[in-house]
Amino acid sequence: QKEVEQNSGPLSVPEGAIASLNCTYSDRGSQSFFWYRQYSGKSPELIMSIYSNGDKEDGRFTAQLNKASQYVSLLIRDSQPSDSATYLCAVNRGTNAGKSTFGDGTTLTVKP
Amino acid sequence: SQTIHQWPATLVQPVGSPLSLECTVEGTSNPNLYWYRQAAGRGLQLLFYSVGIGQISSEVPQNLSASRPQDRQFILSSKKLLLSDSGFYLCAWSSRSSGNTIYFGEGSWLTVV
Repeated sequence: QKEVEQNSGPLSVPEGAIASLNCTYSDRGSQSFFWYRQYSGKSPELIMSIYSNGDKEDGRFTAQLNKASQYVSLLIRDSQPSDSATYLCAVNRGTNAGKSTFGDGTTLTVKP
Repeated sequence: SQTIHQWPATLVQPVGSPLSLECTVEGTSNPNLYWYRQAAGRGLQLLFYSVGIGQISSEVPQNLSASRPQDRQFILSSKKLLLSDSGFYLCAWSSRSSGNTIYFGEGSWLTVV
């Protein structure tokens, strides 16, 4: 079992729809959770971080964390073609080394 | 604000040749530094991380090595490249003050021929 698991996709949604990306993790000691967006051929860029159970909203993005279920998700409202990318989930134990474990990513395609 | 730069952006190297990728971070002190590799269509593989000058931890055995000669400088090297070393190499940093968030450089595309 991978430490961080994501559906590889591809996930395809029409423009304007809500895209839902899911991530599960195995380490119950994980304290910090991150979502990154990676366009083809580019480096990952941070979208959101979340540290507490519940929802965190930033513009069209909402991250949801449920530590009891070891589950973190990212919702993208009003999806745009420019949201088409691979989304990486990362978790961190919060130790001094700060190492994060990354999932393999979910590829999202938003169709006009 | 903090910035991270790595170079070169793209390189094509013959099998058996040496490699040197360099990365520098600005705007923060004593960052944790990382080298990741991403094969085409695959996830991120952590190669090395460093919590301070001269302190390098290797995550996977391979013919690559890393060095941290200065606080904000991280170098990835190889004496003899293999075909399997081809990929997208990413330098990254994090710190306690950043909430252990990892920030990536622009990446370096390496093709070994």
